[in-house]
This record gives sequence, C-alpha cells and structure tokens, in this order.
Amino acid sequence: QVQLVQSGAEVKKPGASVKLSCKASGYTFTGNYMHWVRQAPGQGLEWMGWINPNNGGTNYAQKFQGRVTMTRDTSITTAYMELSSLRSDDTAVYYCARASPAGTHGPYNWFDPWGQGTLVTVSS
Amino acid sequence: QSVLTQPPSVSGAPGQRVTISCTGSSSNIGAHYDVHWYQHLPGTAPKLLIYANSNRPSGVPDRFSGSKSGTSASLAITGLQAEDEADYYCQSYDSSLSGWVFGGGTKLSVL
Repeated sequence: QVQLVQSGAEVKKPGASVKLSCKASGYTFTGNYMHWVRQAPGQGLEWMGWINPNNGGTNYAQKFQGRVTMTRDTSITTAYMELSSLRSDDTAVYYCARASPAGTHGPYNWFDPWGQGTLVTVSS
Repeated sequence: QSVLTQPPSVSGAPGQRVTISCTGSSSNIGAHYDVHWYQHLPGTAPKLLIYANSNRPSGVPDRFSGSKSGTSASLAITGLQAEDEADYYCQSYDSSLSGWVFGGGTKLSVL
C-alpha cells in the first residue's frame, strides 16, 4: 500500500539546522510531487513547500524562503526537508504529504497520504 | 491566523448531524479553487476525508459529505459516532499567496 514513513523525533538548539526524511513506498516515487506541512503546538496546519521528485524542482512558501531546502534521493525513494536557523517557534510536528492525483501538479491538488509526522523541538 | 476560517469546536450527540464551515475569500475558495477536508487524530497522520469539494475516497463512509458555495465550504457528518471525535481541517489554494492554505481546524466532540 502507499506509505510515507518519516524519520524520528529531533531536539535542536536555536540556530541549528535539522534535516528530516520521508521514505515513500507503494507507488512510483517520481510520479507525485511531495509537499511538507507543519503543525506547531496548539496551532493549525501550515504549508511549507513542495519538491518535484522527478527533477528536484522546488517551490517554498514565502515565510520559509531562505531557511528551507527540500531535496530527494530517487534511488531510495526518499524526500528530505532541511530547515536552518531554527528558532523556538519552529517547534512543531512536520509532515510530508503526497500530492494527488498522481501525475498532476496544480492548485487543485490535495494531499494523500501523509507521513506519520516528525516532532522537532527547538530548545536551549 | 489561518487564511481559511473554521469554528474552533463543534459538538453533537451520537446519531446526530453536525456541520463544519470553512470560510475563505476571493483569492482562494471564491476563486473557484477546490476545497479538501482532512480528519486528524492527535499523534497520527492526517487522513483525507473529502477531495475536490464533495468527493469521498474509497473507504470513507457516506456519513461524510462536502459542499462548496461562493467563498465557503462545509463538511457534514451524519449519524455521529464516538470514533468521529477528531480535529477536522479544510484546505484549498490561495492565488495571492501562491500556495496551499489550511483552516485553523475544528475539534469535534461527540457528547
């Protein structure tokens, strides 16, 4: 079945960077864009950006531009999201989510499935 | 402050019907972008509930339905069950932000 499995929880100090992974299985990895979404404690969901696993093209939400880098390794069907210059308000659960339907990319995309989430705690 | 506005909470007794609203603007829902809904239980992955305004993925009970009109959308849940207790999020696309946007989430309590 289609599955996204994310890496484990991280604890980082302010100013550090964190790199999260999202291992995809059960479908053609290069056939769907991968998005990243985060949820801070007590807050709603916040879209961060996407990566096209086929060619590595990316697009980031303006809020995160300059601090986020999304990459992928097609040989192991894994997407990565690195966030730098971490602050306390970056403490959140970070999700990867596959854009659907397959083979499309656009404003009409929805996200299915989602990874189980990775908790990133930023604390001195 | 989320771009799409949802009520923080709704509640209903088992068997009842509840609706969750999602209000946007002319740059997202009102611009004819689709609305999608997710069910989220704490500690788990969000689950797609409704896509493209009113379509249910396979496996989602027909107790869940979605609609959209103007700058708003709604999720209706009939025959409430205890297992429906969760957070629900709407999602769309915003042309002003050039990105995907979510509602702030609605916590459904089954009394």
